Amino acid sequence: KQEVTQIPAALSVPEGENLVLNCSFTDSAIYNLQWFRQDPGKGLTSLLLIQSSQREQTSGRLNASLDKSSGRSTLYIAASQPGDSATYLCAVRPVGDYKLSFGAGTTVTVRA
Amino acid sequence: GAGVSQSPSNKVTEKGKDVELRCDPISGHTALYWYRQSLGQGLEFLIYFQGNSAPDKSGLPSDRFSAERTGGSVSTLTIQRTQQEDSAVYLCASNPFGITGELFFGEGSRLTVL
Repeated sequence: KQEVTQIPAALSVPEGENLVLNCSFTDSAIYNLQWFRQDPGKGLTSLLLIQSSQREQTSGRLNASLDKSSGRSTLYIAASQPGDSATYLCAVRPVGDYKLSFGAGTTVTVRA
Repeated sequence: GAGVSQSPSNKVTEKGKDVELRCDPISGHTALYWYRQSLGQGLEFLIYFQGNSAPDKSGLPSDRFSAERTGGSVSTLTIQRTQQEDSAVYLCASNPFGITGELFFGEGSRLTVL
């Protein structure tokens, strides 16, 4: 059974600092990994999707890396802003399964 | 539509009543998922549709929960005889390419059972 872990559970940084969010998973047999953002009381917004054959994806200030063999992904957010405050979740789609396995998320607070 | 649409956004009901939650996926998306997020908890998978078929209902917590999808589009999640432990945010998601595509979520339906 695929287990997804996100450490730390919460993170507080001053504005302008770079954010590093970690995601680890126990089974490397995955189709892809997806990073989401969730604001309080809202749904999940897709940030980046990395296919299993890829090493990284970039979108604006966001960069996500994937090391499938070691079961790790890292989301980097450059030059953080207060608007980046949210909960960030990673999810993997295991081979042979329809559903994503989600981590519990990292709640980020960017202080102005 | 432009995104996954869910209704109602908020529903307050009394214990024992039935509720229906609706999901309208992105046009053309063949795969549709229902998840549940309880307060302070992670996402719990409920059911998956490919077209109108539900090959995976393994996450439905009890026989009070059912879901259907018609025309390969709109899906309805029905909870009969609601209980207080059913209170949660019910999230719907869809993706266009079966199991390898990017998943897009709606804003959710917040259910409160009094």
